[in-house]
Amino acid sequence: AQRVTQPEKLLSVFKGAPVELKCNYSYSGSPELFWYVQYSRQRLQLLLRHISRESIKGFTADLNKGETSFHLKKPFAQEEDSAMYYCALQTGANNLFFGTGTRLTVIP
Amino acid sequence: DSGVTQTPKHLITATGQRVTLRCSPRSGDLSVYWYQQSLDQGLQFLIQYYNGEERAKGNILERFSAQQFPDLHSELNLSSLELGDSALYFCASSVGSGRATDTQYFGPGTRLTVL
Repeated sequence: AQRVTQPEKLLSVFKGAPVELKCNYSYSGSPELFWYVQYSRQRLQLLLRHISRESIKGFTADLNKGETSFHLKKPFAQEEDSAMYYCALQTGANNLFFGTGTRLTVIP
Repeated sequence: DSGVTQTPKHLITATGQRVTLRCSPRSGDLSVYWYQQSLDQGLQFLIQYYNGEERAKGNILERFSAQQFPDLHSELNLSSLELGDSALYFCASSVGSGRATDTQYFGPGTRLTVL
């Protein structure tokens, strides 16, 4: 069965420090992976998707099929990065499976 | 603003009752998705409609049903409500049928409280 695991419910880092939000998945097929973000009092929105191999707001995520991971990284955290981050896996049936989320707090 | 609207914002009802949640997608989007976010289960996919037809089904209970109308708005009907149905219900929309290149845009959610 498919599953997305985000082991950290809460993560605090200092401004300017590197940040890594962990995501591991379990899926027998070819995974499509995403990171969604929800800033305070805003809607859930797509941050990035692995097939685009893009960097958004300084964040990158690499799909590691061997480790079944899709960790989100940023070299220098900013205060405006404080938000709730969700990793999501899309299966062939168009279902999006979300992890339980990690609340990132960037300390000034 | 993503353009997806949901009504009502809040809904308080009693066990055994039936409620209808409404979602209007962004202009031009053909797909509507419904999600349930509860404290113990996290964010769970319920169902997707594409251009009026059911496209994908997730963990949707038999007591729940949805439909998408010709004007592409969607309704999620929840019946025989139980305390455990209390949750935030999100709607999302996308242009296409839900491929990985298709971005889902989320609405603000409807908070349902069952007493």
